[in-house]
Amino acid sequence: EAQVTQNPRYLITVTGKKLTVTCSQNMNHEYMSWYRQDPGLGLRQIYYSMNVEVTDKGDVPEGYKVSRKEKRNFPLILESPSPNQTSLYFCASSFIGTGGSGANVLTFGAGSRLTVL
Amino acid sequence: AQKVTQAQTEISVVEKEDVTLDCVYETRDTTYYLFWYKQPPSGELVFLIRRNSFDEQNEISGRYSWNFQKSTSSFNFTITASQVVDSAVYFCALSGHNTGNQFYFGTGTSLTVIP
Repeated sequence: EAQVTQNPRYLITVTGKKLTVTCSQNMNHEYMSWYRQDPGLGLRQIYYSMNVEVTDKGDVPEGYKVSRKEKRNFPLILESPSPNQTSLYFCASSFIGTGGSGANVLTFGAGSRLTVL
Repeated sequence: AQKVTQAQTEISVVEKEDVTLDCVYETRDTTYYLFWYKQPPSGELVFLIRRNSFDEQNEISGRYSWNFQKSTSSFNFTITASQVVDSAVYFCALSGHNTGNQFYFGTGTSLTVIP
């Protein structure tokens, strides 16, 4: 089944304790991205990647890192989480067609709910 | 600037009523793409429709229809004869051809259909 898999789905952690949220897709998509969803703010893009070793900042990259060492994986790293990073996180992927990645439909993971105490 | 505005935060309707969800966008791009996604109470994000800026034809899919008007920068979504299963948060999104592969989402409209 074509899907984007995120882990963990739920996590409670404490300020300053490094954590990684993994994202893996099995559709051979070039484009992958991370979003956070907060009440009243909708989804905001954190980072995106056009292909292996190619990453770029979205609208809210502060406090996050990403890497794209393999095409299928795009982990989100919080080096020193803070309470303002408590949020629902979504990973998404798509092909990049002739219209650019923006033309394509994103396939989303199920979401990862992170609480930082 | 790229921006999507969904002014309706929450809407409640009685089952079988029609409801329209508004979406207004801003973009510098001449080529851009608009999307609607549905987020049911279970939390996943489900794609509903994509429209490119060159195609202003309205679209109907069952009880769903979309009205794209470039003149008013709007891409509104109408559900006809609403059902309880339509209860969800609906997001409108924008992506510009020349703006670096970023997607911009509105703040969402929470629709509750009352049986």
